[in-house]
Amino acid sequence: SQQGEEDPQALSIQEGENATMNCSYKTSINNLQWYRQNSGRGLVHLILIRSNEREKHSGRLRVTLDTSKKSSSLLITASRAADTASYFCATDNFGNEKLTFGTGTRLTIIP
Amino acid sequence: DAGITQSPRHKVTETGTPVTLRCHQTENHRYMYWYRQDPGHGLRLIHYSYGVKDTDKGEVSDGYSVSRSKTEDFLLTLESATSSQTSVYFCAISHGPKTSYEQYFGPGTRLTVT
Repeated sequence: SQQGEEDPQALSIQEGENATMNCSYKTSINNLQWYRQNSGRGLVHLILIRSNEREKHSGRLRVTLDTSKKSSSLLITASRAADTASYFCATDNFGNEKLTFGTGTRLTIIP
Repeated sequence: DAGITQSPRHKVTETGTPVTLRCHQTENHRYMYWYRQDPGHGLRLIHYSYGVKDTDKGEVSDGYSVSRSKTEDFLLTLESATSSQTSVYFCAISHGPKTSYEQYFGPGTRLTVT
């Protein structure tokens, strides 16, 4: 069963716009990670946010975590064509050694 | 990219045949993982290793076995391939334990079982 579920499943926006995708999870976590996957490639780590953090930035990426709502969001600002990819959140179960991945959000940036 | 290679990159095999996929890393990371990726399921953990000769089962381990005789190599074996094992298989490595460290993924192996 999935711990993290991304929403929406697919998103298309114009280049230059901001893209927001969300992740909801079911049980308490130690941390949450976001990954990107370009078509036909392996996943690439974007950001790790710990349960005691509320927000984290990396370049054009902003991740928030609301443990009371068991949800996280990934914001990509000023989107580029190269941001076209699938984005996955991955969570642990509190005390578990393994990551559980969601089914992903497929983001398409329209030039 | 982290130094992770997977071989073969593509394979077509018949039902009932054994198949071994190889993951090789040059990063000297202790932790290695095998995932499968299927539409509608995301990535699911098959097996993982926390050191040489130390392995454990993941979420979907039935029908799979693994071995790790050297730090750099993690082998995934399908003893008798079935059509339900048609998938894309990813290897990943991480520097540290549990889930507090990011994972680095290989390029994947596309396996088709006919």
